[in-house]
Amino acid sequence: TQLLEQSPQFLSIQEGENLTVYCNSSSVFSSLQWYRQEPGEGPVLLVTVVTGGEVKKLKRLTFQFGDARKDSSLHITAAQPGDTGLYLCAGLPYALNFGKGTSLLVTP
Amino acid sequence: GAGVSQSPSNKVTEKGKDVELRCDPISGHTALYWYRQRLGQGLEFLIYFQGNSAPDKSGLPSDRFSAERTGESVSTLTIQRTQQEDSAVYLCASSWGTLRPSYNEQFFGPGTRLTVL
Repeated sequence: TQLLEQSPQFLSIQEGENLTVYCNSSSVFSSLQWYRQEPGEGPVLLVTVVTGGEVKKLKRLTFQFGDARKDSSLHITAAQPGDTGLYLCAGLPYALNFGKGTSLLVTP
Repeated sequence: GAGVSQSPSNKVTEKGKDVELRCDPISGHTALYWYRQRLGQGLEFLIYFQGNSAPDKSGLPSDRFSAERTGESVSTLTIQRTQQEDSAVYLCASSWGTLRPSYNEQFFGPGTRLTVL
């Protein structure tokens, strides 16, 4: 079993702050996905990273895949209340390798 | 339909009863996955189907859990003799392909919230 550790487990910040959450493993993954899950709903895919060192930006979200493809980070700039949710990372084979998630709360 | 649907959305049952949870995947998706999510936790993989076969049943927590899929479409997850520790949200997802080696996006349903009293 390839384990993905996510940190921090919980994060509560105020609107406008920046934050970074992490997804780490001792195993190499050929690709990694980030999902966001809002309360009462299923997770929704945000991004897939496939190349070591890759950086992808989605508006205020920046995703990075580590050079060794063992870790990834998600940075959110100027967080908004709509960013509230559970952020999950998953490594290929995705179904078997979901992290436990970072629960983010952004208050106005 | 436009997305993955699950029914019922909520299920309250008494300890010892059997329950059936249903998942309707996106039309054309050959892969289907079941997960369990306890309150405030991440996703616990249960089982996946490629077509109608289940190559990996290793995630099923006990022999009280079973799942089937027919016609490469609807899937049902059955929990027999439910226990209080079975209380959780059960999520279903589907994708175009298999676990390996694709990068397939999983589309999730809203889940079934199961409460065992």
